[in-house]
Amino acid sequence: AQKITQTQPGMFVQEKEAVTLDCTYDTSDQSYGLFWYKQPSSGEMIFLIYQGSYDEQNATEGRYSLNFQKARKSANLVISASQLGDSAMYFCAMREGNTGGFKTIFGAGTRLFVKA
Amino acid sequence: DAGITQSPRYKITETGRQVTLMCHQTWSHSYMFWYRQDLGHGLRLIYYSAAADITDKGEVPDGYVVSRSKTENFPLTLESATRSQTSVYFCASRTGTSNEQFFGPGTRLTVL
Repeated sequence: AQKITQTQPGMFVQEKEAVTLDCTYDTSDQSYGLFWYKQPSSGEMIFLIYQGSYDEQNATEGRYSLNFQKARKSANLVISASQLGDSAMYFCAMREGNTGGFKTIFGAGTRLFVKA
Repeated sequence: DAGITQSPRYKITETGRQVTLMCHQTWSHSYMFWYRQDLGHGLRLIYYSAAADITDKGEVPDGYVVSRSKTENFPLTLESATRSQTSVYFCASRTGTSNEQFFGPGTRLTVL
């Protein structure tokens, strides 16, 4: 069965430093997609980055990169040059089937605190 | 307004009452979803829909009913609300080929 695990309930990082948020997943499918979402204190869900299971290169979007290690079933989010506005809840998610699958499951989330 | 909207944004109700949460999107996205967010659980899928008149259960469907008579609307009904259904509810939509789901602003529901 699908499962997403985020083992870090909370993380602290100094402003301007890089931080890695951990995510491991479990699936028996060969085709799947991995996502990261940000939820600031205002409550909205913001899409950050996507990685397909067949993508050979790690996904990057600005200061966000996804460290995809398929054999280890991990999809860690790396935020470079942290900013105070990065303080938020971060969710890792997975959908089986690169585009056709319906269900996306989410991890429990990691709360990131950026210190000035 | 363009995008995906939810109403009401806040709702307080009593145990046993029927409650309907509304979701409306203006993009004509084929897929729509309902999630609930509870502390320690992230988001859990309640129901989803691949198109008008096509719906299916997610991880936690018990106590909920959905319908989708029009592509743009996907209401979620709690037939007889229970305290365990106190949560924040998110609606989301996406196209058939997109990787990104777009989320509504959420509805905070309290069942007393």
